[in-house]
This record gives sequence, structure tokens and C-alpha cells, in this order.
Amino acid sequence: AQSVSQHNHHVILSEAASLELGCNYSYGGTVNLFWYVQYPGQHLQLLLKYFSGDPLVKGIKGFEAEFIKSKFSFNLRKPSVQWSDTAEYFCAVNAKDSSYKLIFGSGTRLLVRP
Amino acid sequence: DADVTQTPRNRITKTGKRIMLECSQTKGHDRMYWYRQDPGLGLRLIYYSFDVKDINKGEISDGYSVSRQAQAKFSLSLESAIPNQTALYFCATSDPGLAGGIGELFFGEGSRLTVL
Repeated sequence: AQSVSQHNHHVILSEAASLELGCNYSYGGTVNLFWYVQYPGQHLQLLLKYFSGDPLVKGIKGFEAEFIKSKFSFNLRKPSVQWSDTAEYFCAVNAKDSSYKLIFGSGTRLLVRP
Repeated sequence: DADVTQTPRNRITKTGKRIMLECSQTKGHDRMYWYRQDPGLGLRLIYYSFDVKDINKGEISDGYSVSRQAQAKFSLSLESAIPNQTALYFCATSDPGLAGGIGELFFGEGSRLTVL
């Protein structure tokens, strides 16, 4: 069965610190990969996605993620976080042979201190 | 106005009551989904629908039912609510994914349900 692991459940950083959130998945086939963000009190919105091509994907608000197929990983990075990045971040994986199944990780709560 | 609208946004009810959560969308998408979010568990799929005549169970459909009244409307019902259905419920829509799979999901604001 497919699964998605986000290793860090809570992360606390100071503004301007660098961020890397881990995401690993278990599935041997071709995948679509996503990072969604949920700001406090708001709905989830797409941060970035990978379908194919360049494994380094750039998203909104200065975020990027790198797909490393050999490691089954899709880690999220940002060189310098801001207080406004405080949110919960979800990694999600979809097997390309499934038109509906999107498996979410358990989420990482990021708190950025001013 | 939001592209995906959920009502009610908050609801407190008692065990055994019937509850309906409604979702409407202006994205023009055929695909609609209901997810449940619990702390530490991420989002889990309850039901999904690819068009008005297509309804499918997700991974946690027990205790829930849905109705796709129109392309733009997808309702989730709890026939007899129980406390462990206390959660945040999200409706979402999507286009088909590029070259297979699922595309970007567009979420509603969420409906927070508390079952006492």
C-alpha cells in the first residue's frame, strides 16, 4: 500500500533561517507529487507540484522542492523563512495509474518566530 | 467569492443526529471530493465523484453517504453522527491530471463538525 512519511511533525525556526521539510513515499511506480500549505484558519492551497521533467520544482513564495527518485523523496526547501510562513505543510503523492487516490502525509507544523 | 464554498462552516450536533455538509463550486470541474482532516493524520478521502452519475467510496466511507446533485454541488451526509466523526471536513475539486493521475486540488474553507 502507498504511504507518505513526513518526518518532522513540528518545526520551530527564527526568521531568516533556512527550511527543509522531509517527505518520503512508498510506491514503486510513476508518481505525481505535491506540497500543500494550510495557513492558520484557512483551507489548503497548492504550494508546488511535480508531474515530470526537471526534478527541481519552484513554487510560490520562494519555496522549492527536489524530487529524488532513487530516494523516493520530495523534500521542501526555502532559503530564508518569514513569519508569514507559519503554517502546516502537507506532502501528497498520487500514483499516475490512479485517477483519484492522493495520499497525504500527516503534516508538519512550522512556527516561525519573528 | 470563493471558488469552492462549504456550508456550514461550523456545526455542533449530538450523537445520533443526521448532518449534511454542502459543497458548491464555480471552477467548472467535473471531479469533486470529500476529505476528512484529523490532527496528526493528514487528510483522508471519504468519497469522490467524477461526474453527476459517478460516485465512489474512498478509504474511510463507513458512516458517510454523498449526493452529487449537479456538476457544481456535492453533499456529504452523516446519517447518524457519532463522536469519532468529530473532525474538519474539506470539499475539493480538480481537473484530470496531466498524462494520468490527479491534478491540482482546489479546496473549500472547511466545515468543522463536533459531535457530542
